[in-house]
Amino acid sequence: DGGITQSPKYLFRKEGQNVTLSCEQNLNHDAMYWYRQDPGQGLRLIYYSQIVNDFQKGDIAEGYSVSREKKESFPLTVTSAQKNPTAFYLCATEEGHGSPLHFGNGTRLTVT
Amino acid sequence: GIQVEQSPPDLILQEGANSTLRCNFSDSVNNLQWFHQNPWGQLINLFYIPSGTKQNGRLSATTVATERYSLLYISSSQTTDSGVYFCAVVNAGGTSYGKLTFGQGTILTVHP
Repeated sequence: DGGITQSPKYLFRKEGQNVTLSCEQNLNHDAMYWYRQDPGQGLRLIYYSQIVNDFQKGDIAEGYSVSREKKESFPLTVTSAQKNPTAFYLCATEEGHGSPLHFGNGTRLTVT
Repeated sequence: GIQVEQSPPDLILQEGANSTLRCNFSDSVNNLQWFHQNPWGQLINLFYIPSGTKQNGRLSATTVATERYSLLYISSSQTTDSGVYFCAVVNAGGTSYGKLTFGQGTILTVHP
């Protein structure tokens, strides 16, 4: 069935390690987004991609990297340069301009 | 950047009560969406409503773009309505419709 799959649901890492969060979609949507949510806060945009092989920084891109080699996939790497990586990470897709945003179920990352 | 303010920050209701959530924004928008985040973190898109009025069952939303606010109405509330409600907007003139700026959310608790 169609949807957005984020994996894993929970992820634990030691400080200083890079970690990659997966986001896969079979909705055939062009645009994909990564948001970060901290406890009691709204969402903040990390990176977005409107087409394959192209992506743009959002408001809080420092310490993160992405790739968009396939339309279906938009993985996010949290690098050791990210000062406060512990957060809830949400991937979203958009069919096109003027359409609603749809989210995956998120990945809770804890770095100790 | 554009500012998004939601009120009230917290709302407690008895089952069956009605409520109105408000979203004010500081600049003109070409995209406004309402989301519900359930206690497990899942974000569901409720409305894509840059202007006008829409209804979906017990929920309805109205955006008055010229006055820079949107309202979400919940009638005959149920315990399953509990969670956090987010308003998110894109500043008019923005290049990407999904590059949403989120408010801080309204936490709704519905008691049986």
